[in-house]
Amino acid sequence: EAQVTQNPRYLITVTGKKLTVTCSQNMNHEYMSWYRQDPGLGLRQIYYSMNVEVTDKGDVPEGYKVSRKEKRNFPLILESPSPNQTSLYFCASSPGTGRQPQHFGDGTRLSIL
Amino acid sequence: GQQLNQSPQSMFIQEGEDVSMNCTSSSIFNTWLWYKQDPGEGPVLLIALYKAGELTSNGRLTAQFGITRKDSFLNISASIPSDVGIYFCAGQRFTGTASKLTFGTGTRLQVTL
Repeated sequence: EAQVTQNPRYLITVTGKKLTVTCSQNMNHEYMSWYRQDPGLGLRQIYYSMNVEVTDKGDVPEGYKVSRKEKRNFPLILESPSPNQTSLYFCASSPGTGRQPQHFGDGTRLSIL
Repeated sequence: GQQLNQSPQSMFIQEGEDVSMNCTSSSIFNTWLWYKQDPGEGPVLLIALYKAGELTSNGRLTAQFGITRKDSFLNISASIPSDVGIYFCAGQRFTGTASKLTFGTGTRLQVTL
């Protein structure tokens, strides 16, 4: 089954404790992306990747890092999380350079205390 | 980053009624997409529109890509309880080899029996 899988689905942690949210897709998609969803703001893009070793900033990249060492994986790294990064995070992927519609994972709810 | 103006923010309708929602932008997009999000899940693609003026249907859903490329609407006919959820429009813009997706703030749909 074609899937975008995120882990963990839920995480409560404390300010400053580094965390990583993993994202994996089994569709051999080149394009992957991370979004955060906040009430009243919709989904905003954090980072995206056009292919292995190619990443770029989205609209709200501050406080986040990503890496794309393999095509299927695109982890989101919060080196020093802060409470304003409490949010619902989604990973998405699409074929080619992202011109095709993106398929989303089921989300990761992060709470930073 | 830019956001799309999506309206209405929320709707309470009776089962069997038709629904209409729309998105507008100050700038043009190459593609318009409509997604639905159920509680605890990621957005799921409903309809993709690729050409200005295009009218596309998917079952009881109909969406149009505005002729100015700055707006789109989604209609749902004869609503049923499983239509409940949050509907997002998204505009996609291609710059060189890159692709950027911008989301609306969502329309929350409630259907009463």
